[in-house]
Amino acid sequence: EAGVVQSPRYKIIEKKQPVAFWCNPISGHNTLYWYRQNLGQGPELLIRYENEEAVDDSQLPKDRFSAERLKGVDSTLKIQPAELGDSAVYLCASSLQGPHTVAFFGQGTRLTVV
Amino acid sequence: DQQVKQNSPSLSVQEGRISILNCDYTNSMFDYFLWYKKYPAEGPTFLISISSIKDKNEDGRFTVFLNKSAKHLSLHIVPSQPGDSAVYFCAGGTSGSRLTFGEGTQLTVNP
Repeated sequence: EAGVVQSPRYKIIEKKQPVAFWCNPISGHNTLYWYRQNLGQGPELLIRYENEEAVDDSQLPKDRFSAERLKGVDSTLKIQPAELGDSAVYLCASSLQGPHTVAFFGQGTRLTVV
Repeated sequence: DQQVKQNSPSLSVQEGRISILNCDYTNSMFDYFLWYKKYPAEGPTFLISISSIKDKNEDGRFTVFLNKSAKHLSLHIVPSQPGDSAVYFCAGGTSGSRLTFGEGTQLTVNP
């Protein structure tokens, strides 16, 4: 069974430029998460989707970050414009709905803003 | 507010010995906990979980202990193997909500 697929794996951009990340979750997983992991820290949730609906986006910096999950499957996360402090690993995860669910992570996209 | 805290950034053990990774939490609403392992340039991989109604869960070489009164959990790896060298994250969750992760502990198992 294929896991969570993310692309690109690495991205280097200049500050003020836009960038987008793509995620394909595990088939059948209704819940999709975007996490950001800064160096030396644990992942922090940016947004959580249940099907197409963003049910938890309280940690998403909405002035520059946006996300969408059309048709309740694939998702994209966009940053526009990027800032130096956005350099991090962006992780996508998916899970089944229900109690005590386990989130399965993709390999992540390492973003470097210069 | 750091709801999940792993106070040891690193741990080094000899192959064959026990590794004990610790985690403290403050959120009493967490009803389950998970441990993830992360190798460089890869995403976190699920290792083992425990419900808040239990105090122990075992899976092969891995055992997680939960002390609710102390708001503390630990992961025991016995025996430790060089391939276990990775960053270990604990996470707390409430059903239908987000997972909150600790900062991680780098485990190094020396041959």
